[in-house]
Amino acid sequence: AIQLTQSPSSLSASVGDTVTITCRASQGISSALAWYQQKPGKAPKLLIYDGSSLESGVPSRFSGSGSGTDFTLTISSLQPEDFATYYCQQFYNYPNTFGQGTKLEIK
Amino acid sequence: EVQLVESGGGLVQPGGSLRVSCAASGFSFSNYGINWVRQAPGEGLEWLSYISTSGEYIYYADSVRGRFTLSRDNAKNSLFLQMNSLRAEDTAVYYCARKVLTGTALGAFDIWGQGTMVTVSS
Repeated sequence: AIQLTQSPSSLSASVGDTVTITCRASQGISSALAWYQQKPGKAPKLLIYDGSSLESGVPSRFSGSGSGTDFTLTISSLQPEDFATYYCQQFYNYPNTFGQGTKLEIK
Repeated sequence: EVQLVESGGGLVQPGGSLRVSCAASGFSFSNYGINWVRQAPGEGLEWLSYISTSGEYIYYADSVRGRFTLSRDNAKNSLFLQMNSLRAEDTAVYYCARKVLTGTALGAFDIWGQGTMVTVSS
C-alpha cells in the first residue's frame, strides 16, 4: 500500500498567518491526492482534489500544489474557523490511504 | 439536500457481528461509488472499503478483508456494511463517503455522513 507522510504533525499559528502542510507519498501518485479538513466530532470535509483543484464552496485562501510524490496544502490569511486537523489522501489506487494528519492550533 | 446518514452502530462483544447502514438522499445514488472510512478514538482516518455503482466491483482493506462485507441496494438508496468477527481494534466511528464522479473507480470523497460509533468490548 502507498504510504503518505504528512509534516508537521502539529502546527501553531496565529490568525492572519500563512501556513503550509506537506504530504509525501512513498511512490508516485500523479495528481491523485486530496486534502480534507476535520473539526472535532465532525466528518472530514473535502478541500482540494486532484492535487490542486479547489472543491466548490471552499474559500480561495486554501490552495494545493504538487504531483508525483510531493504535495503541499497552503492556507493563506488564517481565519479562526481554519483551526482543525488536516489530512491528505491518495486515490491513485486501492487501498486508498490517508496521511496521519496535521493538527493546526491557535498560537 | 445531498446527504448520507449512517445508522446501526452500537456496543458489541468481541467476536460478534453488527451491520451498519448508510442511507443516501438528494442525489442519484445509483450513479456513485461509495466508500467506508473509519476513525478510532483519537486516531486518524482509515479507508476500509469501496463499492462501485452496481456493486460489481468491491475492494477491501487488508485489516477487514474476510470479516467485513459491503453491499448496496440502489432501489432503496442504501449501503450496508456487515461486520463479523469483530475485535477491540475495530472500535471506531464509521463513515460512509461518496466518491466524486470521475468515470473510474478512483476519486476523492466529496460527501460524508456524520458517522456511526461502533464499540467492541466485553
